Amino acid sequence: AQSVTQLGSHVSVSEGALVLLRCNYSSSVPPYLFWYVQYPNQGLQLLLKYTSAATLVKGINGFEAEFKKSETSFHLTKPSAHMSDAAEYFCAVTHNQAGTALIFGKGTTLSVSS
Amino acid sequence: KAGVTQTPRYLIKTRGQQVTLSCSPISGHRSVSWYQQTPGQGLQFLFEYFSETQRNKGNFPGRFSGRQFSNSRSEMNVSTLELGDSALYLCASSGTGTGNEKLFFGSGTQLSVL
Repeated sequence: AQSVTQLGSHVSVSEGALVLLRCNYSSSVPPYLFWYVQYPNQGLQLLLKYTSAATLVKGINGFEAEFKKSETSFHLTKPSAHMSDAAEYFCAVTHNQAGTALIFGKGTTLSVSS
Repeated sequence: KAGVTQTPRYLIKTRGQQVTLSCSPISGHRSVSWYQQTPGQGLQFLFEYFSETQRNKGNFPGRFSGRQFSNSRSEMNVSTLELGDSALYLCASSGTGTGNEKLFFGSGTQLSVL
């Protein structure tokens, strides 16, 4: 069975600092991996997705993630945090080729201070 | 292009009642998925409909059901409501339902069961 573990339910950084949100997955075969962001009172928005084309995936708003099969990880990074990055971030996995039926991690709330 | 529309935005019901939630996908999208979001369990996949057929199903009891109409609009029904059904219910749509497409989420319906 697939599962996703996000280490750290809450991460705090200063504006301009590196953002690192951790995600590890459990799967017998390489899955499709995603990062979504949820702003208060809004639905989820796709940041980026891994579909085996390249291990380093670039997404929107300056975020990127690297797929490491040996570590079963898909950590999300951004070189310089901005106040507008404050939100909840979810890592998700699926074996469904259509990219549906997502299994989500518990989420990590990112706080950015000035 | 209009986004995914969910109605109503808020709903209050009492235990034992039933409820129907509605989701209108982005025009042209044929896949509609439903997710339940709670503080304790996080985001959990309920089911997915594609061209009026249930294509994938999560691990929820039979009290949770759905359907999709020929215009791709979808409804989700929960019968015999329990306190634990209080949650934000999110709907997501995608295009043809193949090739690992991006999911577009609505803002959700907040259901409170008293």
